[in-house]
This record gives sequence, C-alpha cells and structure tokens, in this order.
Amino acid sequence: GAGVSQTPSNKVTEKGKYVELRCDPISGHTALYWYRQSLGQGPEFLIYFQGTGAADDSGLPNDRFFAVRPEGSVSTLKIQRTERGDSAVYLCASSAGPQSFGETQYFGPGTRLLVL
Amino acid sequence: GENVEQHPSTLSVQEGDSAVIKCTYSDSASNYFPWYKQELGKGPQLIIDIRSNVGEKKDQRIAVTLNKTAKHFSLHITETQPEDSAVYFCARIRGGSYIPTFGRGTSLIVHP
Repeated sequence: GAGVSQTPSNKVTEKGKYVELRCDPISGHTALYWYRQSLGQGPEFLIYFQGTGAADDSGLPNDRFFAVRPEGSVSTLKIQRTERGDSAVYLCASSAGPQSFGETQYFGPGTRLLVL
Repeated sequence: GENVEQHPSTLSVQEGDSAVIKCTYSDSASNYFPWYKQELGKGPQLIIDIRSNVGEKKDQRIAVTLNKTAKHFSLHITETQPEDSAVYFCARIRGGSYIPTFGRGTSLIVHP
C-alpha cells in the first residue's frame, strides 16, 4: 500500500512569506508526527497528533509554527513570517499508535524548505 | 540532559567488513531504542529496535545491543554491502512518552 506522502517535495520562499506543508499519512494511522531535520542532524520533534488533536506541541520553536489535522488524517504544518533559519527538511511520520508502545513509525520523504 | 550522543559521525569500511555504531544516553527512564537508516533524499526507515528488558536483538546481518547500566546501545552490521551505505540514526524514548530523541547520525560508507 501507499506510504506516507508529503507535498511539496521542495519549497523555495522568501523571508517573511507564509508556507504550508502537507502530510498524507498511511491510511488508518491515528498517530502523526512532524519533525524538522537540519543538515547533518537527526530529526527534531515538533508536534504529535493522536487523531485530530495535538497531543503534544512542545517541540514547536515559536508561535510562527502551527499544525492542524482537522479530520484525523491529512495534516498541514504552517509557518508564518518565514526566516532563513527555518530552512530545513520537514519530515512527517505516522504510526498505528504511540511509538513507545511498540508501533513502528513510518516516515515520509520530507519537504525541503529553503528560505531566501 | 536528555540528548543522545552518537559515534562515529563518519564510518568508512570495505565490503564484507563489520560496522559498529555506538550511542550513549543519560535519561535512565529511557526504555525504547530504535535505529533508523536514511538514504539520500528519503525519510528515515526503522531497521531494528530494542526494549530495555532485552540485552540483545538480531535480525539477519543487523544486531543491536543494550547496556542499561552503562546507558549505551550499539548497532552492529556484519558482512557489509555497498547498499548498506546510508546515514544511520539511533534514538531513545522515555517510558510513557512518545517523543523520540535522535542522535546526530553516522554516515556509513561501504566501499566495494
């Protein structure tokens, strides 16, 4: 079956602009995670959804970042007033349940965001 | 802190050799330790994991060992092949949590 998909695969924007990044999880997966990966680093947790609600958004760096998952499936990560430091690969992952309970987390290919 | 230290950052081996990547952590409440392989342009893929009640787990050419007392765990790849070339990440999750903390990654290069 289809894996986790993310669109766009690449996004170039100018400083100060607004961007939306989309994640389509594996069908039926209730848990959805967003991560940010800078060059030469491991993924850094941003936010975790269980169903429609954000169970933990403690990784969001500031209030310019926001994510939604209105129907418990597709999720959108929104970044306002982008800064050059926001440039990174944004990864989405989904699982049938919380990873700590043994559920495998499946990652998408990521969206490469470049803020000029 | 709750960081995961991963070493080495780069590992170059000849095809057929073994490769070992080590990670250390400080949070004694950690109880789940996955390893991921990330190829260029792709997201990380889980290759093996281990829970804190087990000391070793093996899956064909890949094995993971865990020393809870010393707070370190290692990935072992035997009979390496060129297709094993990728970046490998260790991670840990605290019991009751769902937020993984990743190491900085090891770039493994297997020369044919």
